Amino acid sequence: DAGITQSPRYKITETGRQVTLMCHQTWSHSYMFWYRQDLGHGLRLIYYSAAADITDKGEVPDGYVVSRSKTENFPLTLESATRSQTSVYFCASRGSYEQYFGPGTRLTVT
Amino acid sequence: ILNVEQSPQSLHVQEGDSTNFTCSFPSSNFYALHWYRWETAKSPEALFVMTLNGDEKKKGRISATLNTKEGYSYLYIKGSQPEDSATYLCASNDYKLSFGAGTTVTVRA
Repeated sequence: DAGITQSPRYKITETGRQVTLMCHQTWSHSYMFWYRQDLGHGLRLIYYSAAADITDKGEVPDGYVVSRSKTENFPLTLESATRSQTSVYFCASRGSYEQYFGPGTRLTVT
Repeated sequence: ILNVEQSPQSLHVQEGDSTNFTCSFPSSNFYALHWYRWETAKSPEALFVMTLNGDEKKKGRISATLNTKEGYSYLYIKGSQPEDSATYLCASNDYKLSFGAGTTVTVRA
């Protein structure tokens, strides 16, 4: 089905572990984004990508790594998870104007 | 990252009443203004994208206006219903969106 998907939808991990959140879109949109939902801050941009092999930092990039080897995929990796990274993570993609969000991944770091 | 502000942070409205709230954004180098509806435990859903000064958009009982010269947009809900309860986000962008913190609307039956 066309659209944007995220996996896993829920994840519990321990402090210090590496974890990767996956994002896949079928529209061939150039732009893709990773946000985290923080109380009082709404959505904060972690990283974004303008095209395959082009990525850039957003507002809160520390502790995260991204890659974009293919247009349709934009994985987000937490190199060494910390409790402060407990959040809901949203991936999004955009064509010309409208931006569409994935269903979110709820990550808990214990 | 653009400074996008929304007010009020939250509001309660009686079923059947109309309401409106504000999004303010930097007017310089304006590209587009987005409105999203965000229900609890779901992902944000696009409502409107507006690009031109004076733009007005409407979807059912929800409408929005845009003033790019003074840097604000209003979202209106006419005849509020319980299903309108959600957080409404606005975002402005050049090539990446900067989100406001949202206005949480609670419609009381």
